[in-house]
Amino acid sequence: AQSVTQLGSHVSVSEGALVLLRCNYSSSVPPYLFWYVQYPNQGLQLLLKYTSAATLVKGINGFEAEFKKSETSFHLTKPSAHMSDAAEYFCAVKPGAAGNKLTFGGGTRVLVKP
Amino acid sequence: DTGVSQDPRHKITKRGQNVTFRCDPISEHNRLYWYRQTLGQGPEFLTYFQNEAQLEKSRLLSDRFSAERPKGSFSTLEIQRTEQGDSAMYLCASSLFTGGMNEQFFGPGTRLTVL
Repeated sequence: AQSVTQLGSHVSVSEGALVLLRCNYSSSVPPYLFWYVQYPNQGLQLLLKYTSAATLVKGINGFEAEFKKSETSFHLTKPSAHMSDAAEYFCAVKPGAAGNKLTFGGGTRVLVKP
Repeated sequence: DTGVSQDPRHKITKRGQNVTFRCDPISEHNRLYWYRQTLGQGPEFLTYFQNEAQLEKSRLLSDRFSAERPKGSFSTLEIQRTEQGDSAMYLCASSLFTGGMNEQFFGPGTRLTVL
């Protein structure tokens, strides 16, 4: 079974500051991990994915995440926040390559202050 | 546009009515998924198809819910005798499963409001 915990349902950052969104997972098999972004009244857009290759994964819009097996974490970072980063972010886990369903965390809403 | 499309985008209905949503996946994708997202929560898996076969259903999918993918292309999700607790965003996703990554691409969702 898989589960995802996102610490902090809301995060407020100043424009230009570091964005750090935390994700911890539980998986009975080697996981595939994902970060998605959701803008209001829209579907989910994939930011980046970990698929058992490099532990540091770079995604779109300047985001990156690091897979740490010992900490069962996959935290998302962006060095400098932009106003357009204001959205909700979801971490998700899938049981390996051929796994079917995604299991999502509860989401973290990011507010960017000018 | 070659992405996943869903229709309608919004649906308002009265309690007890039946509703049906449609999802058109990316054309060559053989897997199609339905998820439900309630306000302030992450999406939850409901069911998925490989071609026309429904291979897995969540316990969240009560007897009032039925999904079909009759020709292995578009899919419909029907909710009978809607309840206020069915109010949510219903998300569809599709993927091309060839034994590899199986990345899911999401549609814009259908937001259901049950009055």
